[in-house]
Amino acid sequence: EAGVAQSPRYKIIEKRQSVAFWCNPISGHATLYWYQQILGQGPKLLIQFQNNGVVDDSQLPKDRFSAERLKGVDSTLKIQPAKLEDSAVYLCASSFHSNQPQHFGDGTRLSIL
Amino acid sequence: GDSVTQMEGPVTLSEEAFLTINCTYTATGYPSLFWYVQYPGEGLQLLLKATKADDKGSNKGFEATYRKETTSFHLEKGSVQVSDSAVYFCALNTGFQKLVFGTGTRLLVSP
Repeated sequence: EAGVAQSPRYKIIEKRQSVAFWCNPISGHATLYWYQQILGQGPKLLIQFQNNGVVDDSQLPKDRFSAERLKGVDSTLKIQPAKLEDSAVYLCASSFHSNQPQHFGDGTRLSIL
Repeated sequence: GDSVTQMEGPVTLSEEAFLTINCTYTATGYPSLFWYVQYPGEGLQLLLKATKADDKGSNKGFEATYRKETTSFHLEKGSVQVSDSAVYFCALNTGFQKLVFGTGTRLLVSP
């Protein structure tokens, strides 16, 4: 079974620029999650999708972050404009259903200069 | 709100030593509890879980018991290996299926 795929693995941008991350979940997984993991901290949930609908985006900074999951499969997370404090690893996870274990991708490491 | 507290690392051990990583939690309701492991440059992998009080999760020689009376879920392994070096995260999952993670504990095992 192929795992959760994320790209790019690394991204370096300057503050105020825009950036987008892509996630392809495990085939058949209805639930998709985006987490932000700041260095030295545990992952923090940004947004949770059930198919192509948003279940929880209470911790997503909506003034600069956006995410979509068109057709209920792949998902993109965008930051526009980026701030220095957005430097982190962005993890995507998926599960067959919201009450099943989450499977994580390897993440995208974002550095803001 | 719900939270997880882990012991600070790094935890430094010699190969074959006994491992304990402490984890306590605060939650309303009856959460499920998890341990995830993160190897360098990789995402998180589920190590073990327990869904109710007194359950014991186990995998790859690691164990943790859900203790409701002490709100704890300590991770243990009888004999660690160099390959166990990683960051370990304790997490809880409330009825809304949202994972709340601790800050992680880095384990370093030397030969």
